Amino acid sequence: DGGITQSPKYLFRKEGQNVTLSCEQNLNHDAMYWYRQDPGQGLRLIYYSQIVNDFQKGDIAEGYSVSREKKESFPLTVTSAQKNPTAFYLCASSKQTENTEAFFGQGTRLTVV
Amino acid sequence: GEDVEQSLFLSVREGDSSVINCTYTDSSSTYLYWYKQEPGAGLQLLTYIFSNMDMKQDQRLTVLLNKKDKHLSLRIADTQTGDSAIYFCAEITSGSRLTFGEGTQLTVNP
Repeated sequence: DGGITQSPKYLFRKEGQNVTLSCEQNLNHDAMYWYRQDPGQGLRLIYYSQIVNDFQKGDIAEGYSVSREKKESFPLTVTSAQKNPTAFYLCASSKQTENTEAFFGQGTRLTVV
Repeated sequence: GEDVEQSLFLSVREGDSSVINCTYTDSSSTYLYWYKQEPGAGLQLLTYIFSNMDMKQDQRLTVLLNKKDKHLSLRIADTQTGDSAIYFCAEITSGSRLTFGEGTQLTVNP
């Protein structure tokens, strides 16, 4: 079945450690996105990528890094520079057409202790 | 500030209609979307509307677009307890950015 998969669903890390969240899609979508969700703040865009080997900062990119070496994969690294990393992280992908439905993964809940 | 704005909470009784409102700022948006999020899960597309339309109806869902006021609404007829969720409006802005509102938590009371 085609879809977008995030792993793991729950992640615990100690403060000061970098952590990488996985996002894989087999929908042949060009565009991929990372969002952070906090209660009462909706979805805030961290990074997005429209094509392999290219990505752009979103609204809250500080403390995060991404790579897009393959079309199917868009991993997000939460670095120790991110001041408040505990959140629910959502990955999405879409076709690069004007009317495009974004498909979302099930999310990763990251807790930093 | 937010490019897309929604009220945070809405509570209705089962069987009533729900109306969720959204305002957006990018007048160049060609498509506007409504997504639904169940607890602890990702988002699923409910419906969308093209910017040259005023209204779109899809079973119990009606989307109204007032392009002059940059106002979008989602009406759910005969709201059921299974409709309880967070509803997000979204727009595609320049550079294929998909921008979401804060989300409206809809609570349906029996």
